[in-house]
Amino acid sequence: DGGITQSPKYLFRKEGQNVTLSCEQNLNHDAMYWYRQDPGQGLRLIYYSQIVNDFQKGDIAEGYSVSREKKESFPLTVTSAQKNPTAFYLCASSTGTSGGRQFFGPGTRLTVL
Amino acid sequence: QQQVKQSPQSLIVQKGGISIINCAYENTAFDYFPWYQQFPGKGPALLIAIRPDVSEKKEGRFTISFNKSAKQFSLHIMDSQPGDSATYFCAASKTGGYNKLIFGAGTRLAVHP
Repeated sequence: DGGITQSPKYLFRKEGQNVTLSCEQNLNHDAMYWYRQDPGQGLRLIYYSQIVNDFQKGDIAEGYSVSREKKESFPLTVTSAQKNPTAFYLCASSTGTSGGRQFFGPGTRLTVL
Repeated sequence: QQQVKQSPQSLIVQKGGISIINCAYENTAFDYFPWYQQFPGKGPALLIAIRPDVSEKKEGRFTISFNKSAKQFSLHIMDSQPGDSATYFCAASKTGGYNKLIFGAGTRLAVHP
């Protein structure tokens, strides 16, 4: 059963803590993406990766970091430098040359206490 | 030039009615226009997509109308059902190699019985 998994579904963080959100795909896709979604706003791109060991900043990368050591995995770390991290985080993947078609995971809702 | 403007922000339709959501773009290099459907607490899922070589694409009750000269495209949901209640996002990108999806802000649709 192919798809994208994200974990955990819900995550609570104290201020000043770093947290890492997991994203795994078994679709054999080259490209992976992280988006942030806030109420009443569209999806905003945080980071994307076209290939293993390479990634690029999106529109709102400040306070976030990523790694792409394996094709299947693209974890996102929300650092203490992110001033307003409470949001719904979505991971997506695509073949990279699919003309934009992206497949999304179920999301992780992060709440800062 | 990278923006995609979506309207309305929210929409209420009676069961059996037609739901219409509109999007406008600026970058004439865009050549892939998908619509995503998102239910609360879930990741977006591709609903239907169009390329600018056709003016309309229909899949079941969902139709995309595309006006290249006006740089506008719209989603029509015929015979709207309560199960269609969700948030809908339009997006745009350029094909060929990697190109980011640019999302609209979303439309929250409520279909009342």
